[in-house]
Order: sequence, then structure tokens, then C-alpha cells
Amino acid sequence: QVQLKESGPGLVAPSQSLSITCTVSGFSLTSYGVHWVRQPPGKGLEWLGVIWAGGSTNYNSALMSRLSISKDNSKSQVFLKMNSLQTDDTAMYYCARYDFDYWGQGTTLTVSS
Amino acid sequence: EIVLTQSIPSLTVSAGERVTISCKSNQNLLWSGNQRYCLVWHQWKPGQTPTPLITWTSDRYSGVPDRFIGSGSVTDFTLTISSVQAEDVAVYFCQQHLHIPLTFGAGTKLELK
Repeated sequence: QVQLKESGPGLVAPSQSLSITCTVSGFSLTSYGVHWVRQPPGKGLEWLGVIWAGGSTNYNSALMSRLSISKDNSKSQVFLKMNSLQTDDTAMYYCARYDFDYWGQGTTLTVSS
Repeated sequence: EIVLTQSIPSLTVSAGERVTISCKSNQNLLWSGNQRYCLVWHQWKPGQTPTPLITWTSDRYSGVPDRFIGSGSVTDFTLTISSVQAEDVAVYFCQQHLHIPLTFGAGTKLELK
């Protein structure tokens, strides 16, 4: 069955970088794009970006200068990298398949010293 | 950026009641490619990941009960649950896919009396 699972560092200090991995199963990254979405505590969902099946990407322009999304099709993994983290980057980070028909359970990121 | 406003953050109703959930866009969500509106409704049950219910404003995803009805046009969209069931307790949020960045409404939490 289709599954997505995020894994990340949990806690990062301000100004540092993070990398979160989304490992998928039950489908091929060569056939489906994967989105990254986050939800800060008490707030709504914010779309971060997407990597399409062919490997091209689109980003939320508000974060584009700090974001990078890549993937390894052979390992069924998608990577979110964000630099210059600030406290307002504290959120639950989710990956979701192309149509948002399947989501991961999310990984919590706290930015704090 | 397209902003989606769900003005009612929560609703409490009795089982069997009809409920409507509103989503307003600050831009016309019409896609010229098929003359349909790029609005999706998602359901997010406690302890689960979100699931899409309705796409293109009014098309139910496979397996979605017919008590879930999507409607609307231009900038005003509605999700109606014709007879609320106990298993419908969830947060319902809208999402547009007309323009990047993809954006989400803040969500409406549905609870039962």
C-alpha cells in the first residue's frame, strides 16, 4: 500500500540548516510528484514546494531562497533542505503525494537554542 | 498569492443535521483549460492524515459517501454534509491548485453535540 514517512532532526538551533527525508513505498517517484507542507503550532497549512515526477521543482516564493527539494528515485526518497532556520520555522513538516491523496504522519521540527 | 478564507473555525452540530462549510477565495479559481474551478476539499480526522474528499469543486473522490457535496463557483465555495454522522468529526479544509504557491484554508473543525 502507499505510504510516506518523514524523518528529521527534531531540534535545530537558530541559523542552522535542516534536512528532512520523505521515504515512500507503494508507488514510484518516477510516476508521482511529492509535495512538502508544514503546519506551525496553532496555524494552518503552508505549502512549501513540490518535486515533480520528472525531477523539476516549484517552490513557495516566500521561502524559495532558503529551500531546496531533491530526490533519489532509486531509494524512493525525497529530501527537503532549508537553511537559515528561525524560530518561526518551528512546525510539523509533512510530505504528500501528488494529489494530496496520501500524506506522511509528519515530523516535528523545533527551532530553538 | 491566492488566499482562501474559512471564516468559521468550528461548528458543533447534532448527528443527522445538515452542515455547510464555506471557503472564499480572493481570486477567481477558474481554470481555462477545462472551465472548472480548482478547488479541493480535504477531511482531516483526529489521529489520521488528511484525505481528499472533493476535487474540481464538486467531484467526489472514489469511496466518498454521497452525503458530502461540493458546490460553488468563481470565489465562493461550499462543502455540504447532508446528514452528519459521528465518523464525520474532523477538520475540513479547502485547497486551491490554480496557481503556485498552492494554498489552503485555515480549516473548519466539525464537532458533534
